[in-house]
Amino acid sequence: GENVEQHPSTLSVQEGDSAVIKCTYSDSASNYFPWYKQELGKGPQLIIDIRSNVGEKKDQRIAVTLNKTAKHFSLHITETQPEDSAVYFCAASLDRGSTLGRLYFGRGTQLTVWP
Amino acid sequence: EAGVAQSPRYKIIEKRQSVAFWCNPISGHATLYWYQQILGQGPKLLIQFQNNGVVDDSQLPKDRFSAERLKGVDSTLKIQPAKLEDSAVYLCASSLVNPPTEGNYGYTFGSGTRLTVV
Repeated sequence: GENVEQHPSTLSVQEGDSAVIKCTYSDSASNYFPWYKQELGKGPQLIIDIRSNVGEKKDQRIAVTLNKTAKHFSLHITETQPEDSAVYFCAASLDRGSTLGRLYFGRGTQLTVWP
Repeated sequence: EAGVAQSPRYKIIEKRQSVAFWCNPISGHATLYWYQQILGQGPKLLIQFQNNGVVDDSQLPKDRFSAERLKGVDSTLKIQPAKLEDSAVYLCASSLVNPPTEGNYGYTFGSGTRLTVV
Protein backbone atom coordinates (compact mmCIF):
# COMPACT_ATOMS: atom_id res chain seq x y z
CA GLY A 1 0.00 0.00 0.00
CA GLU A 2 0.88 3.66 -0.08
CA ASN A 3 3.48 4.99 2.40
CA VAL A 4 3.61 8.70 3.23
CA GLU A 5 6.61 10.15 5.04
CA GLN A 6 6.44 13.64 6.58
CA HIS A 7 9.21 15.94 7.83
CA PRO A 8 9.97 17.62 10.13
CA SER A 9 8.05 16.23 13.09
CA THR A 10 8.33 19.57 14.92
CA LEU A 11 8.87 23.06 13.55
CA SER A 12 9.24 26.32 15.48
CA VAL A 13 9.22 29.68 13.71
CA GLN A 14 8.98 33.33 14.66
CA GLU A 15 5.80 35.16 13.83
CA GLY A 16 6.02 36.56 10.31
CA ASP A 17 8.50 33.95 9.10
CA SER A 18 7.68 31.21 6.59
CA ALA A 19 7.19 27.53 7.39
CA VAL A 20 7.70 24.60 5.03
CA ILE A 21 6.59 21.01 5.63
CA LYS A 22 7.61 18.25 3.24
CA CYS A 23 6.09 14.88 2.39
CA THR A 24 7.03 12.01 0.13
CA TYR A 25 4.83 9.20 -1.12
CA SER A 26 5.60 5.78 -2.54
CA ASP A 27 2.80 4.91 -4.97
CA SER A 28 3.13 6.74 -8.27
CA ALA A 29 -0.59 6.16 -8.87
CA SER A 30 -1.56 8.50 -6.01
CA ASN A 31 -3.24 11.54 -7.48
CA TYR A 32 -4.91 13.53 -4.70
CA PHE A 33 -2.91 15.26 -1.96
CA PRO A 34 -4.74 17.10 0.82
CA TRP A 35 -3.26 18.92 3.82
CA TYR A 36 -5.01 19.03 7.16
CA LYS A 37 -4.63 21.22 10.23
CA GLN A 38 -5.51 19.66 13.57
CA GLU A 39 -5.91 21.76 16.68
CA LEU A 40 -5.97 20.27 20.14
CA GLY A 41 -9.17 18.35 20.80
CA LYS A 42 -10.48 18.79 17.27
CA GLY A 43 -10.65 16.70 14.14
CA PRO A 44 -8.41 17.39 11.13
CA GLN A 45 -9.56 20.33 9.02
CA LEU A 46 -8.81 20.50 5.31
CA ILE A 47 -6.75 23.61 4.54
CA ILE A 48 -5.62 23.03 0.96
CA ASP A 49 -5.46 20.19 -1.54
CA ILE A 50 -4.04 19.47 -4.95
CA ARG A 51 -4.51 16.93 -7.70
CA SER A 52 -1.64 15.36 -9.61
CA ASN A 53 -2.37 17.24 -12.82
CA VAL A 54 -1.44 20.52 -11.09
CA GLY A 55 2.05 21.50 -9.93
CA GLU A 56 1.18 24.29 -7.52
CA LYS A 57 -1.82 25.77 -5.79
CA LYS A 58 -2.10 28.85 -3.60
CA ASP A 59 -4.74 30.13 -1.22
CA GLN A 60 -3.80 33.42 0.47
CA ARG A 61 -0.86 32.61 2.82
CA ILE A 62 -0.89 28.88 2.10
CA ALA A 63 0.53 27.11 -0.93
CA VAL A 64 1.17 23.52 -1.91
CA THR A 65 3.66 22.30 -4.51
CA LEU A 66 3.78 18.87 -6.08
CA ASN A 67 6.65 17.13 -7.86
CA LYS A 68 5.24 13.96 -9.42
CA THR A 69 8.57 12.78 -10.75
CA ALA A 70 10.22 12.90 -7.35
CA LYS A 71 6.99 11.87 -5.59
CA HIS A 72 7.06 14.66 -3.06
CA PHE A 73 4.81 17.55 -2.12
CA SER A 74 5.20 20.45 0.26
CA LEU A 75 3.12 22.89 2.27
CA HIS A 76 4.28 26.49 2.45
CA ILE A 77 2.87 28.95 4.97
CA THR A 78 4.00 32.55 4.65
CA GLU A 79 3.70 35.38 7.19
CA THR A 80 2.99 32.91 9.97
CA GLN A 81 0.77 33.93 12.87
CA PRO A 82 0.41 32.42 16.36
CA GLU A 83 -2.98 31.01 15.35
CA ASP A 84 -1.21 28.89 12.74
CA SER A 85 0.18 26.82 15.63
CA ALA A 86 -1.24 23.29 15.29
CA VAL A 87 -0.39 19.81 14.00
CA TYR A 88 -0.32 19.61 10.20
CA PHE A 89 -0.85 16.35 8.31
CA CYS A 90 -0.21 15.55 4.68
CA ALA A 91 -2.08 12.73 2.98
CA ALA A 92 -2.25 10.91 -0.33
CA SER A 93 -5.05 9.06 -2.05
CA LEU A 94 -5.65 6.98 -5.17
CA ASP A 95 -8.78 7.14 -7.30
CA ARG A 96 -8.74 3.48 -8.28
CA GLY A 97 -8.51 -0.02 -6.92
CA SER A 98 -9.57 -1.58 -3.65
CA THR A 99 -8.32 1.43 -1.65
CA LEU A 100 -10.50 3.92 -3.50
CA GLY A 101 -11.07 6.94 -1.32
CA ARG A 102 -8.70 5.88 1.45
CA LEU A 103 -6.40 8.63 2.72
CA TYR A 104 -2.85 7.63 3.73
CA PHE A 105 -1.56 10.12 6.28
CA GLY A 106 1.91 11.21 7.30
CA ARG A 107 2.80 11.25 10.99
CA GLY A 108 2.21 14.96 11.38
CA THR A 109 4.24 18.12 12.04
CA GLN A 110 3.76 20.13 15.22
CA LEU A 111 4.12 23.77 14.12
CA THR A 112 4.68 26.38 16.82
CA VAL A 113 4.66 30.06 15.91
CA TRP A 114 6.25 32.30 18.55
CA PRO A 115 5.00 35.89 18.87
CA GLU B 1 -24.09 23.43 6.96
CA ALA B 2 -23.81 21.24 10.05
CA GLY B 3 -20.58 19.30 10.38
CA VAL B 4 -19.93 15.65 11.17
CA ALA B 5 -21.31 14.89 14.63
CA GLN B 6 -19.71 12.33 16.91
CA SER B 7 -20.49 11.12 20.40
CA PRO B 8 -19.37 10.65 23.04
CA ARG B 9 -16.39 13.04 23.09
CA TYR B 10 -14.55 11.03 25.73
CA LYS B 11 -14.79 7.50 27.06
CA ILE B 12 -12.75 5.65 29.67
CA ILE B 13 -13.24 1.89 30.01
CA GLU B 14 -11.42 -1.05 31.49
CA LYS B 15 -9.79 -3.61 29.24
CA ARG B 16 -12.10 -6.39 28.12
CA GLN B 17 -15.12 -4.09 28.34
CA SER B 18 -17.12 -3.06 25.29
CA VAL B 19 -17.69 0.43 23.89
CA ALA B 20 -19.64 1.99 21.04
CA PHE B 21 -19.16 5.24 19.14
CA TRP B 22 -21.76 7.06 17.09
CA CYS B 23 -21.39 9.23 13.99
CA ASN B 24 -23.84 11.37 12.03
CA PRO B 25 -22.32 12.52 8.71
CA ILE B 26 -23.08 15.68 6.76
CA SER B 27 -26.47 15.43 5.14
CA GLY B 28 -26.21 14.03 1.62
CA HIS B 29 -22.73 12.59 2.06
CA ALA B 30 -22.90 9.03 0.77
CA THR B 31 -19.40 8.00 1.84
CA LEU B 32 -18.54 7.57 5.52
CA TYR B 33 -15.19 6.65 7.04
CA TRP B 34 -13.93 5.61 10.47
CA TYR B 35 -10.28 6.38 11.23
CA GLN B 36 -8.20 5.49 14.27
CA GLN B 37 -5.64 8.07 15.41
CA ILE B 38 -3.12 6.85 17.97
CA LEU B 39 -1.31 9.60 19.90
CA GLY B 40 1.53 11.07 17.86
CA GLN B 41 0.48 9.43 14.59
CA GLY B 42 -1.62 10.22 11.57
CA PRO B 43 -5.12 8.76 11.24
CA LYS B 44 -5.45 5.24 9.79
CA LEU B 45 -8.56 4.00 8.01
CA LEU B 46 -10.56 1.31 9.78
CA ILE B 47 -13.61 1.05 7.54
CA GLN B 48 -15.28 2.86 4.66
CA PHE B 49 -18.98 2.78 3.78
CA GLN B 50 -20.67 3.79 0.55
CA ASN B 51 -24.30 4.39 1.53
CA ASN B 52 -24.96 1.37 3.79
CA GLY B 53 -22.51 -0.99 2.10
CA VAL B 54 -18.92 -1.67 3.18
CA VAL B 55 -16.33 -0.59 0.59
CA ASP B 56 -13.11 -1.24 2.50
CA ASP B 57 -12.69 -2.95 5.87
CA SER B 58 -9.31 -4.52 5.20
CA GLN B 59 -7.69 -2.69 8.16
CA LEU B 60 -10.48 -3.41 10.66
CA PRO B 61 -9.52 -5.92 13.40
CA LYS B 62 -12.65 -7.96 12.87
CA ASP B 63 -12.13 -10.19 15.89
CA ARG B 64 -12.98 -7.23 18.14
CA PHE B 65 -14.18 -4.32 16.00
CA SER B 66 -17.47 -4.06 14.17
CA ALA B 67 -19.27 -1.25 12.41
CA GLU B 68 -22.57 -0.68 10.75
CA ARG B 69 -24.33 2.07 8.86
CA LEU B 70 -28.03 1.45 8.93
CA LYS B 71 -30.17 3.21 6.31
CA GLY B 72 -27.04 4.78 4.84
CA VAL B 73 -26.91 7.67 7.31
CA ASP B 74 -25.72 7.27 10.92
CA SER B 75 -22.99 4.83 11.78
CA THR B 76 -21.79 3.06 14.91
CA LEU B 77 -18.37 1.59 15.61
CA LYS B 78 -18.07 -1.02 18.37
CA ILE B 79 -15.12 -2.55 20.16
CA GLN B 80 -15.62 -5.76 22.14
CA PRO B 81 -13.54 -6.65 24.06
CA ALA B 82 -11.27 -3.61 24.29
CA LYS B 83 -7.49 -3.87 24.67
CA LEU B 84 -5.05 -1.34 26.05
CA GLU B 85 -3.71 -0.70 22.53
CA ASP B 86 -7.15 0.47 21.41
CA SER B 87 -6.59 3.73 23.30
CA ALA B 88 -6.83 6.35 20.56
CA VAL B 89 -9.04 9.00 19.03
CA TYR B 90 -11.68 7.54 16.73
CA LEU B 91 -12.51 9.93 13.93
CA CYS B 92 -15.51 9.78 11.67
CA ALA B 93 -15.44 11.54 8.31
CA SER B 94 -17.76 11.87 5.35
CA SER B 95 -17.47 12.97 1.75
CA LEU B 96 -19.93 13.91 -0.95
CA VAL B 97 -18.20 11.87 -3.63
CA ASN B 98 -15.89 8.86 -3.75
CA PRO B 99 -13.05 9.17 -4.36
CA PRO B 100 -12.86 12.51 -2.57
CA THR B 101 -11.46 15.36 -4.58
CA GLU B 102 -10.77 19.05 -4.24
CA GLY B 103 -12.51 21.59 -2.09
CA ASN B 104 -16.11 20.81 -1.17
CA TYR B 105 -15.72 17.32 -2.55
CA GLY B 106 -13.08 16.41 0.01
CA TYR B 107 -13.35 14.85 3.44
CA THR B 108 -14.95 16.52 6.44
CA PHE B 109 -13.89 15.11 9.79
CA GLY B 110 -15.75 15.14 13.07
CA SER B 111 -14.06 16.11 16.34
CA GLY B 112 -13.56 12.49 17.31
CA THR B 113 -14.06 10.32 20.36
CA ARG B 114 -11.07 9.97 22.65
CA LEU B 115 -10.99 6.42 24.07
CA THR B 116 -8.82 5.49 27.02
CA VAL B 117 -8.58 1.82 27.94
CA VAL B 118 -7.18 1.18 31.43
